[in-house]
Amino acid sequence: QSVLTQPPSVSAAPGQKVTISCSGSSSNIGDNYVSWYQQLPGTSPKLLIYENNKRPSGIPDRFSGSKSGTSATLGITGLQTGDEADYYCGTWDNSLSAGVFGGGTKLTVL
Amino acid sequence: QVQLVESGGGVVQPGGSLRLSCAASGFTFSNYGMHWVRQAPGKGLECVAFIRYEGISKYYADSVKGRFTISRDNSKNTLYLLMNSLRAEDTAVYYCAKAKENIVSFPIVNWGQGTLVTVSS
Repeated sequence: QSVLTQPPSVSAAPGQKVTISCSGSSSNIGDNYVSWYQQLPGTSPKLLIYENNKRPSGIPDRFSGSKSGTSATLGITGLQTGDEADYYCGTWDNSLSAGVFGGGTKLTVL
Repeated sequence: QVQLVESGGGVVQPGGSLRLSCAASGFTFSNYGMHWVRQAPGKGLECVAFIRYEGISKYYADSVKGRFTISRDNSKNTLYLLMNSLRAEDTAVYYCAKAKENIVSFPIVNWGQGTLVTVSS
């Protein structure tokens, strides 16, 4: 049982838009920045979004992030088959004094 | 460019010990916080331990507290994870990962390729 809650899977057609939610509490998302990671099959995770809505250099603007209260959302527009991956949200939890991730969401581009 | 190369994984019996190492290059290692993050087969990511840049402040997941010890040698640009009293549920790929800053743990900006630890009799 992960501290942060994500839907196990989402799907959409190529070219469409999808959102992935990440729900937490006041001790984690409510009081800290959220980051998002993409893990393509068989590879290490990669940073997609940091500080709720910032993109590292090289990440296309098709990827966006937002946060409201104790929830965060990752948005992906113009879906491509190459976006099929597992997506994780992560942040620090003040009560646990540890980093926490969501359980991950598998994106399928139909 | 940033490189993180893990080593030390393998097969160990329940109750046994193992020490993982992570050789870092391409950045000033002593300026950044570092993580060990694991991923059990077919499962999600779990933060195992985090150590701040100075090597003094350390944080652990409840699942490993008292059994695992994170440490670093800034003179050797190397991160370590000493794992004792290993259990079957510790079986996972262990990633060495670099934080964006020196004392704040997230975001994680760079990841190694991972090393597999299998706990089995």
